[in-house]
Amino acid sequence: NAGVMQNPRHLVRRRGQEARLRCSPMKGHSHVYWYRQLPEEGLKFMVYLQKENIIDESGMPKERFSAEFPKEGPSILRIQQVVRGDSAAYFCASSPWQGEGTGELFFGEGSRLTVL
Amino acid sequence: QKEVEQDPGPLSVPEGAIVSLNCTYSNSAFQYFMWYRQYSRKGPELLMYTYSSGNKEDGRFTAQVDKSSKYISLFIRDSQPSDSATYLCAMSARGGSEKLVFGKGTKLTVNP
Repeated sequence: NAGVMQNPRHLVRRRGQEARLRCSPMKGHSHVYWYRQLPEEGLKFMVYLQKENIIDESGMPKERFSAEFPKEGPSILRIQQVVRGDSAAYFCASSPWQGEGTGELFFGEGSRLTVL
Repeated sequence: QKEVEQDPGPLSVPEGAIVSLNCTYSNSAFQYFMWYRQYSRKGPELLMYTYSSGNKEDGRFTAQVDKSSKYISLFIRDSQPSDSATYLCAMSARGGSEKLVFGKGTKLTVNP
């Protein structure tokens, strides 16, 4: 059973370009989360999605960032007009269900974005 | 004041030592407490999970939660070089699908 798959693992962009990060959750998981890890910082929640729905985007910057989880295909985190401060590791996590439970999130290995 | 405070270390111990890792928090609504382990250039993986106050033991690992003091701990007994990683505490007000609030992580090195 494959784990959470993220690609690309490494992405280099110049200021002003767009970055697209993809995440395929574990098989059978319908809940996807995106977290950002800045250098020397902990993981920060960005957005929580279910298929075709954004459930909680309270951690997303108001501009330039968007996320989707279509009915078919992976979840996409899109960053438009990247700036140097967007350089970070972006982690996707998935979980199987909503409700009281272990709270276990299964994380991917991350996509490391470098903005030149 | 940050919601979750965690000493980033780094912490270096000899093999076989007992390691104590700690986090404090300010949000009294937190009820679910987790410790994640993150190896270099990898994603975090769940190590321990506890609900409300109390202790939980799993092999060489013991997690403690003291809600009255808003303080959680992870103890590692007989530490091994393979335990060298960054340990992240995380917590949420509700279990299941709920956004987690993470500490910055403590980098641990166990020297053979």
